[in-house]
Amino acid sequence: AQTVTQSQPEMSVQEAETVTLSCTYDTSESDYYLFWYKQPPSRQMILVIRQEAYKQQNATENRFSVNFQKAAKSFSLKISDSQLGDAAMYFCASDPADKLIFGTGTRLQVFP
Amino acid sequence: DAGVTQSPTHLIKTRGQQVTLRCSPKSGHDTVSWYQQALGQGPQFIFQYYEEEERQRGNFPDRFSGHQFPNYSSELNVNALLLGDSALYLCASSLPGTENTEAFFGQGTRLTVV
Repeated sequence: AQTVTQSQPEMSVQEAETVTLSCTYDTSESDYYLFWYKQPPSRQMILVIRQEAYKQQNATENRFSVNFQKAAKSFSLKISDSQLGDAAMYFCASDPADKLIFGTGTRLQVFP
Repeated sequence: DAGVTQSPTHLIKTRGQQVTLRCSPKSGHDTVSWYQQALGQGPQFIFQYYEEEERQRGNFPDRFSGHQFPNYSSELNVNALLLGDSALYLCASSLPGTENTEAFFGQGTRLTVV
């Protein structure tokens, strides 16, 4: 079975600092995508960043970047220059066969 | 572009009743997926509809059924509601295939079964 594991239920960071959220996954697919989604209190899942497994280069979107280690099946999210608006639940997900499998999430708190 | 819209936003039902949740996909999207998110958990895949047919199904009982209409909108039906069905139900729309796999989510329907 495909699984996604997030081992950090909660993380906190000070405004303007950097934080890294961890994620490991297990898949038998050879071609797949990995995602980080943000879910603020408004409940709507918002895509933060996407990584194509066949691309070795780590994806970057402004202050968000990933460290993708395919052999280790690890996919961590780094948030630089953290802002108060980054506070939310963050979910790591993979998409075997075009459906999303999510981890249990990490609640990120940002302190001024 | 209105994005993915779901209705209603909140719903309270009694155990044993039936419920229908609705989803309109993002403009141009023809694939709709439904997810159940229990409190404190990540979303769990229920099923996916494409061309008005159920394309994939997760590990959910037959009490959960769906439908997709010619305009790509979708319904999720749950029969014989249990207390454990209380959750946030998320709808996501996307385009099929591997070129554009980004799923856009609605704000969900919060279902409470009492």
